[in-house]
Amino acid sequence: DGGITQSPKYLFRKEGQNVTLSCEQNLNHDAMYWYRQDPGQGLRLIYYSQIVNDFQKGDIAEGYSVSREKKESFPLTVTSAQKNPTAFYLCASSGTIVNTEAFFGQGTRLTVV
Amino acid sequence: GEDVEQSLFLSVREGDSSVINCTYTDSSSTYLYWYKQEPGAGLQLLTYIFSNMDMKQDQRLTVLLNKKDKHLSLRIADTQTGDSAIYFCAESRNGQNFVFGPGTRLSVLP
Repeated sequence: DGGITQSPKYLFRKEGQNVTLSCEQNLNHDAMYWYRQDPGQGLRLIYYSQIVNDFQKGDIAEGYSVSREKKESFPLTVTSAQKNPTAFYLCASSGTIVNTEAFFGQGTRLTVV
Repeated sequence: GEDVEQSLFLSVREGDSSVINCTYTDSSSTYLYWYKQEPGAGLQLLTYIFSNMDMKQDQRLTVLLNKKDKHLSLRIADTQTGDSAIYFCAESRNGQNFVFGPGTRLSVLP
Protein backbone atom coordinates (compact mmCIF):
# COMPACT_ATOMS: atom_id res chain seq x y z
CA ASP A 1 0.00 0.00 0.00
CA GLY A 2 1.24 3.46 -0.80
CA GLY A 3 1.70 5.77 2.11
CA ILE A 4 3.94 7.71 4.40
CA THR A 5 5.50 6.09 7.45
CA GLN A 6 6.98 7.73 10.50
CA SER A 7 8.99 5.90 13.10
CA PRO A 8 9.13 5.47 15.95
CA LYS A 9 5.67 6.34 17.24
CA TYR A 10 7.08 7.29 20.66
CA LEU A 11 10.59 8.52 21.38
CA PHE A 12 12.29 9.53 24.58
CA ARG A 13 15.39 11.67 24.65
CA LYS A 14 17.69 12.71 27.41
CA GLU A 15 18.55 16.36 27.64
CA GLY A 16 21.62 17.24 25.60
CA GLN A 17 21.19 14.40 23.12
CA ASN A 18 20.44 14.58 19.44
CA VAL A 19 17.69 12.34 18.13
CA THR A 20 16.55 11.51 14.59
CA LEU A 21 12.97 10.96 13.51
CA SER A 22 12.38 8.86 10.43
CA CYS A 23 9.95 9.65 7.60
CA GLU A 24 9.62 7.45 4.52
CA GLN A 25 7.13 7.66 1.66
CA ASN A 26 6.47 5.38 -1.29
CA LEU A 27 4.07 7.73 -3.06
CA ASN A 28 6.74 9.02 -5.46
CA HIS A 29 6.15 12.51 -4.08
CA ASP A 30 8.71 15.22 -4.70
CA ALA A 31 7.80 17.45 -1.77
CA MET A 32 8.15 16.50 1.90
CA TYR A 33 7.50 18.48 5.06
CA TRP A 34 8.06 18.38 8.80
CA TYR A 35 5.60 20.00 11.18
CA ARG A 36 5.57 20.37 14.92
CA GLN A 37 2.34 20.26 16.90
CA ASP A 38 2.11 21.33 20.52
CA PRO A 39 -0.89 20.54 22.74
CA GLY A 40 -3.87 22.64 21.78
CA GLN A 41 -1.99 24.29 18.95
CA GLY A 42 -1.93 23.99 15.22
CA LEU A 43 0.86 22.87 12.93
CA ARG A 44 4.06 24.82 12.60
CA LEU A 45 6.38 24.19 9.66
CA ILE A 46 9.93 23.20 10.60
CA TYR A 47 11.53 22.32 7.26
CA TYR A 48 10.38 21.38 3.80
CA SER A 49 11.97 19.91 0.72
CA GLN A 50 10.67 20.18 -2.81
CA ILE A 51 13.33 18.08 -4.47
CA VAL A 52 16.14 15.69 -3.59
CA ASN A 53 19.26 17.35 -2.15
CA ASP A 54 17.42 20.59 -1.49
CA PHE A 55 15.46 21.84 1.50
CA GLN A 56 14.30 25.12 3.02
CA LYS A 57 13.71 26.35 6.54
CA GLY A 58 10.18 26.76 7.70
CA ASP A 59 8.89 29.00 10.49
CA ILE A 60 10.64 27.26 13.41
CA ALA A 61 13.80 25.65 12.02
CA GLU A 62 16.12 26.62 14.87
CA GLY A 63 17.44 23.56 16.72
CA TYR A 64 16.47 21.17 13.92
CA SER A 65 18.25 19.76 10.89
CA VAL A 66 17.15 17.66 7.92
CA SER A 67 18.58 15.85 4.92
CA ARG A 68 17.05 14.74 1.64
CA GLU A 69 19.46 12.30 0.06
CA LYS A 70 16.71 10.13 -1.38
CA LYS A 71 13.31 11.02 -2.74
CA GLU A 72 11.64 8.58 -0.37
CA SER A 73 13.25 9.74 2.85
CA PHE A 74 13.29 12.99 4.82
CA PRO A 75 14.71 12.41 8.33
CA LEU A 76 14.52 15.13 10.96
CA THR A 77 17.19 15.52 13.62
CA VAL A 78 16.23 17.30 16.81
CA THR A 79 19.47 18.67 18.15
CA SER A 80 20.47 19.61 21.68
CA ALA A 81 20.11 23.23 20.59
CA GLN A 82 16.33 22.85 20.50
CA LYS A 83 15.36 24.13 23.94
CA ASN A 84 11.84 22.75 24.10
CA PRO A 85 11.71 19.64 21.93
CA THR A 86 8.86 17.79 23.63
CA ALA A 87 6.08 17.79 21.03
CA PHE A 88 4.22 15.75 18.42
CA TYR A 89 6.04 15.71 15.08
CA LEU A 90 4.24 15.17 11.81
CA CYS A 91 5.78 14.40 8.45
CA ALA A 92 3.89 14.98 5.21
CA SER A 93 4.44 14.68 1.49
CA SER A 94 2.80 15.99 -1.64
CA GLY A 95 3.24 15.55 -5.36
CA THR A 96 4.04 18.13 -7.95
CA ILE A 97 0.90 17.57 -9.95
CA VAL A 98 -1.49 20.47 -9.66
CA ASN A 99 -4.27 20.19 -7.06
CA THR A 100 -2.52 17.60 -5.00
CA GLU A 101 -3.16 17.14 -1.31
CA ALA A 102 -0.69 16.62 1.53
CA PHE A 103 -0.50 13.09 2.91
CA PHE A 104 0.48 12.75 6.55
CA GLY A 105 2.25 10.13 8.56
CA GLN A 106 0.90 8.99 11.92
CA GLY A 107 3.28 11.17 13.88
CA THR A 108 6.07 10.73 16.40
CA ARG A 109 5.64 11.87 19.97
CA LEU A 110 8.99 13.02 21.34
CA THR A 111 9.45 13.43 25.07
CA VAL A 112 12.56 14.79 26.75
CA VAL A 113 13.31 13.07 30.04
CA GLY B 1 2.42 36.29 5.03
CA GLU B 2 -0.49 33.96 4.59
CA ASP B 3 -2.69 33.30 7.59
CA VAL B 4 -5.55 30.91 8.28
CA GLU B 5 -7.88 31.42 11.23
CA GLN B 6 -10.41 29.13 12.88
CA SER B 7 -12.35 29.10 16.09
CA LEU B 8 -10.70 26.67 18.51
CA PHE B 9 -13.69 24.82 19.95
CA LEU B 10 -17.15 23.66 18.87
CA SER B 11 -19.65 21.51 20.75
CA VAL B 12 -22.73 19.98 19.18
CA ARG B 13 -25.30 17.36 20.15
CA GLU B 14 -25.27 13.99 18.42
CA GLY B 15 -27.53 14.10 15.37
CA ASP B 16 -27.26 17.86 14.91
CA SER B 17 -25.29 19.52 12.13
CA SER B 18 -21.83 20.95 12.84
CA VAL B 19 -20.48 23.97 11.02
CA ILE B 20 -16.79 24.72 11.29
CA ASN B 21 -15.63 28.04 9.91
CA CYS B 22 -12.32 29.23 8.54
CA THR B 23 -10.97 32.47 7.13
CA TYR B 24 -7.80 32.91 5.13
CA THR B 25 -5.86 35.89 3.88
CA ASP B 26 -4.10 34.76 0.71
CA SER B 27 -6.24 35.82 -2.21
CA SER B 28 -4.01 33.73 -4.46
CA SER B 29 -4.99 30.51 -2.71
CA THR B 30 -6.10 28.04 -5.30
CA TYR B 31 -6.81 24.98 -3.16
CA LEU B 32 -8.54 24.84 0.19
CA TYR B 33 -8.64 21.73 2.32
CA TRP B 34 -10.28 20.25 5.38
CA TYR B 35 -8.27 17.73 7.38
CA LYS B 36 -9.35 15.64 10.39
CA GLN B 37 -7.04 14.62 13.22
CA GLU B 38 -8.02 12.01 15.77
CA PRO B 39 -6.14 11.82 19.09
CA GLY B 40 -2.52 10.79 18.73
CA ALA B 41 -2.76 10.36 14.96
CA GLY B 42 -1.77 12.15 11.80
CA LEU B 43 -4.04 14.26 9.65
CA GLN B 44 -6.43 12.73 7.15
CA LEU B 45 -7.79 14.67 4.24
CA LEU B 46 -11.57 14.93 4.40
CA THR B 47 -12.20 17.01 1.34
CA TYR B 48 -10.82 19.87 -0.70
CA ILE B 49 -12.23 22.53 -2.98
CA PHE B 50 -10.78 24.52 -5.82
CA SER B 51 -11.00 28.27 -5.51
CA ASN B 52 -13.16 28.51 -8.62
CA MET B 53 -15.90 26.49 -6.92
CA ASP B 54 -18.34 27.74 -4.31
CA MET B 55 -19.68 24.46 -3.00
CA LYS B 56 -18.74 20.83 -2.80
CA GLN B 57 -20.76 18.03 -1.27
CA ASP B 58 -19.49 14.60 -0.31
CA GLN B 59 -21.95 12.42 1.61
CA ARG B 60 -22.40 14.08 5.04
CA LEU B 61 -19.86 16.79 4.29
CA THR B 62 -20.63 20.10 2.60
CA VAL B 63 -17.94 22.67 1.92
CA LEU B 64 -18.91 26.25 1.16
CA LEU B 65 -16.44 28.78 -0.18
CA ASN B 66 -16.99 32.53 -0.27
CA LYS B 67 -13.98 33.70 -2.20
CA LYS B 68 -14.88 37.36 -1.91
CA ASP B 69 -14.84 37.18 1.90
CA LYS B 70 -12.09 34.52 1.96
CA HIS B 71 -14.34 32.36 4.11
CA LEU B 72 -14.53 28.56 4.05
CA SER B 73 -16.89 26.38 6.02
CA LEU B 74 -17.33 22.67 6.62
CA ARG B 75 -20.78 21.37 7.48
CA ILE B 76 -21.12 17.88 8.90
CA ALA B 77 -24.67 16.61 8.75
CA ASP B 78 -26.03 14.21 11.39
CA THR B 79 -22.91 14.54 13.54
CA GLN B 80 -21.87 11.34 15.31
CA THR B 81 -19.60 10.69 18.28
CA GLY B 82 -17.00 9.35 15.85
CA ASP B 83 -16.79 12.81 14.33
CA SER B 84 -15.19 14.13 17.54
CA ALA B 85 -11.72 15.25 16.46
CA ILE B 86 -9.70 18.30 15.54
CA TYR B 87 -10.50 19.75 12.13
CA PHE B 88 -7.87 21.75 10.28
CA CYS B 89 -8.51 24.17 7.49
CA ALA B 90 -5.58 24.61 5.08
CA GLU B 91 -4.81 26.48 1.92
CA SER B 92 -2.16 26.28 -0.74
CA ARG B 93 -1.33 28.27 -3.79
CA ASN B 94 0.39 25.63 -5.78
CA GLY B 95 -0.56 22.35 -4.14
CA GLN B 96 2.80 22.14 -2.41
CA ASN B 97 3.27 24.73 0.32
CA PHE B 98 0.41 24.43 2.76
CA VAL B 99 -0.70 26.87 5.43
CA PHE B 100 -2.77 25.35 8.21
CA GLY B 101 -5.17 26.95 10.63
CA PRO B 102 -4.89 26.24 14.38
CA GLY B 103 -7.57 23.56 14.23
CA THR B 104 -11.10 23.41 15.66
CA ARG B 105 -11.73 20.82 18.34
CA LEU B 106 -15.19 19.36 17.73
CA SER B 107 -16.87 17.71 20.69
CA VAL B 108 -20.02 15.70 20.07
CA LEU B 109 -22.28 15.41 23.10
CA PRO B 110 -24.68 12.47 23.53
